[in-house]
Amino acid sequence: EAGVAQSPRYKIIEKRQSVAFWCNPISGHATLYWYQQILGQGPKLLIQFQNNGVVDDSQLPKDRFSAERLKGVDSTLKIQPAKLEDSAVYLCASSPVAGAGNTIYFGEGSWLTVV
Amino acid sequence: QKEVEQNSGPLSVPEGAIASLNCTYSDRGSQSFFWYRQYSGKSPELIMFIYSNGDKEDGRFTAQLNKASQYVSLLIRDSQPSDSATYLCAVSGGSNYKLTFGKGTLLTVNP
Repeated sequence: EAGVAQSPRYKIIEKRQSVAFWCNPISGHATLYWYQQILGQGPKLLIQFQNNGVVDDSQLPKDRFSAERLKGVDSTLKIQPAKLEDSAVYLCASSPVAGAGNTIYFGEGSWLTVV
Repeated sequence: QKEVEQNSGPLSVPEGAIASLNCTYSDRGSQSFFWYRQYSGKSPELIMFIYSNGDKEDGRFTAQLNKASQYVSLLIRDSQPSDSATYLCAVSGGSNYKLTFGKGTLLTVNP
């Protein structure tokens, strides 16, 4: 079974520029998550989709971050304009459905450095 | 804001010893509890999950849950150098089963 695919794996941009990350979840997984992990910290949930609807985006900085999941499969996370503090790993994850005991599976992550 | 706290570490144990990792959570309504392992530069991978009070064993790993004390732990028996990693505690709850992570504990197993 193919895992969660993410691209690009690494990106270096200057502050105030924009960047977009793409995620393809495990086939058949209805729930998709974007997490931000800053070095030395645990992952922080940015947004959670159930199919193509948003169920939680309470920690998404909406003035600069946006995400969409068209057709309930692939997803894109965009940052515009980027700030230095956005330097982090952006982890996409998926699960069959969100539920008690349900396991989520992470992709390899997209490493962002803002200079 | 729901919080998940882990012993800050780093934790260092000799090879063959038992490593004990601890986690507390603030939301009494939390339903499921997970331990992830994260090697440096890699993404988190699931080790175990538990949702009933008591112990759950899987090979060298034992997860323990005490909902009354809002406490979950992970024991690693016969620790190996390959167990050296950051261990993340994660707690799920709420209508959307949102998964909240702690900051992680760095474990080093010395040969």
